[in-house]
Amino acid sequence: SQQGEEDPQALSIQEGENATMNCSYKTSINNLQWYRQNSGRGLVHLILIRSNEREKHSGRLRVTLDTSKKSSSLLITASRAADTASYFCAPIEYGQNFVFGPGTRLSVLP
Amino acid sequence: DTGVSQDPRHKITKRGQNVTFRCDPISEHNRLYWYRQTLGQGPEFLTYFQNEAQLEKSRLLSDRFSAERPKGSFSTLEIQRTEQGDSAMYLCASSRGLVGGSYEQYFGPGTRLTVT
Repeated sequence: SQQGEEDPQALSIQEGENATMNCSYKTSINNLQWYRQNSGRGLVHLILIRSNEREKHSGRLRVTLDTSKKSSSLLITASRAADTASYFCAPIEYGQNFVFGPGTRLSVLP
Repeated sequence: DTGVSQDPRHKITKRGQNVTFRCDPISEHNRLYWYRQTLGQGPEFLTYFQNEAQLEKSRLLSDRFSAERPKGSFSTLEIQRTEQGDSAMYLCASSRGLVGGSYEQYFGPGTRLTVT
């Protein structure tokens, strides 16, 4: 199993701005998943992108995957105060379990 | 589908005592995972079950920790002779999945353990 490394460690933006966070990993993956954790709702799955996909959208979320650079990015558009949370990526090798990094702590200021 | 539930939500215990936590997964999920999370860190994998079989345990999991999933339904995580370093949030998650596959996981609210 490998751990994703999220960057930056912390990010503060104003409501309405876009937020971008990145994830790097080391070896080949089957898929990569993003999760969000806030105090109210615990850890929640956001999006899964497979290794043969380059981009995926879900509502205000856009995830890209570059397997040649072994990196992924999560873009949150038109951020809201409710997006304040920690965001974790999980790069998944086939048959392996999740290893979460320390995450990116996002603060959306009103 | 009521999601993953965990019980208790909070547990305070004295050092040296044993504690047991319970997790009820989403009913149609055959995989169940346990994680530990400390402040400012991501969840740390402890162990997982495919149905009733425990398929993997973290090397970090000491022999004071044991987990069971009788009949492939709910699971329990027991910590014997608790230490202050065991204080953490214990998360349970479940997913569907065939052996070798990787699917999104659904997490419970966690059990917060405080060892005094």
